[in-house]
Amino acid sequence: SAVISQKPSRDICQRGTSLTIQCQVDSQVTMMFWYRQQPGQSLTLIATANQGSEATYESGFVIDKFPISRPNLTFSTLTVSNMSPEDSSIYLCSGYQGADGTDTQYFGPGTRLTVL
Amino acid sequence: AQKVTQAQTEISVVEKEDVTLDCVYETRDTTYYLFWYKQPPSGELVFLIRRNSFDEQNEISGRYSWNFQKSTSSFNFTITASQVVDSAVYFCALSELDSNYQLIWGAGTKLIIKP
Repeated sequence: SAVISQKPSRDICQRGTSLTIQCQVDSQVTMMFWYRQQPGQSLTLIATANQGSEATYESGFVIDKFPISRPNLTFSTLTVSNMSPEDSSIYLCSGYQGADGTDTQYFGPGTRLTVL
Repeated sequence: AQKVTQAQTEISVVEKEDVTLDCVYETRDTTYYLFWYKQPPSGELVFLIRRNSFDEQNEISGRYSWNFQKSTSSFNFTITASQVVDSAVYFCALSELDSNYQLIWGAGTKLIIKP
């Protein structure tokens, strides 16, 4: 199974600033995803991070607010731009492995973001 | 439309009791995957099991067991002799064959194991 790390693990930010979250996978994965999990809620998919091209965003999420990069098969970043207190959430990245037959998404430890 | 329902918002039991977490799904696909993940208070999502739609065999892993029944579109999870360390939020999820590997998530069940 893939092992996924995220940085930072948590942060407290001021309104109007931006934060970039990094996601590193220890092996090549077919797909990478970014999720938001608001307190007490289930996971909501923000976007699919595509290697070498623009991310595919879900309804309600836009590139200007959540720019995503994926320069190679093992690394991706998510930026939360112009933050407001409503952006306070856990942000999780995941990697999907299919080539090895597991067909499973593995998750990073998450980034707990608090916006004041 | 595809959907995953975890009707139990929160379950509280005393340690050593058995507990079953329910998961009901809806899909039009004949090929799909079902998953369970555990999210302890620390926040990380831990993969527990994947089951494909053609494999209805029940699975047992230590104190954990899963009952997959296509006839009732259910994929229930049982913890036997629960322990305090089992306290977490448990999510059931569905992935359809043509979904670009995306997961459809249930709302989660918060499991509290009291000592």
